[in-house]
Amino acid sequence: GENVEQHPSTLSVQEGDSAVIKCTYSDSASNYFPWYKQELGKRPQLIIDIRSNVGEKKDQRIAVTLNKTAKHFSLHITETQPEDSAVYFCAASYNNNDMRFGAGTRLTVKP
Amino acid sequence: GAGVSQSPSNKVTEKGKDVELRCDPISGHTALYWYRQSLGQGLEFLIYFQGNSAPDKSGLPSDRFSAERTGGSVSTLTIQRTQQEDSAVYLCASSATWGRAGANVLTFGAGSRLTVL
Repeated sequence: GENVEQHPSTLSVQEGDSAVIKCTYSDSASNYFPWYKQELGKRPQLIIDIRSNVGEKKDQRIAVTLNKTAKHFSLHITETQPEDSAVYFCAASYNNNDMRFGAGTRLTVKP
Repeated sequence: GAGVSQSPSNKVTEKGKDVELRCDPISGHTALYWYRQSLGQGLEFLIYFQGNSAPDKSGLPSDRFSAERTGGSVSTLTIQRTQQEDSAVYLCASSATWGRAGANVLTFGAGSRLTVL
């Protein structure tokens, strides 16, 4: 099955700075790469996703990039705010089947 | 239903006892997942059901763990002879068939917190 590696495990940034989280995947057949955000005590929720037919996708302050050749993808958060503090999970799958998650990154945004 | 429903929300049991955790997915969702999340840790894949296909059980950590999905809807995760290391939050998620509206989103339940004393 798919194996997803994620780093860093923890990330601390100053409010207003950018944050970058990186993931690699093992299965070249994977074509769908979502990112989930889990706030303390809550369930994970989808924040952005990308499919293998595009290299980059943006939604306001967040963006995701994908390098299919290298099998890695990244989440970029600009102008970070304290409410961005959470655990972020990357994931990979083929057509949303058999979704496997990375180990998560705990992002802390310091005011 | 409006969301993924899990029960019980909290379960405290003694080592060696069996437990059953239930998941009611969103009506019509063909895909159902179980994940385990230990305190402060990631989403450990346990099992995946997709329609009538044979489930992917490759994430089950031992033969004490089993899961069923009856009628393509409700799923039960059973842990036999529980151990202290089984203590975690067990999360269920469901999604629609790929190609249908919203199929890209995994909707998670609130989880079942299991504590094994």
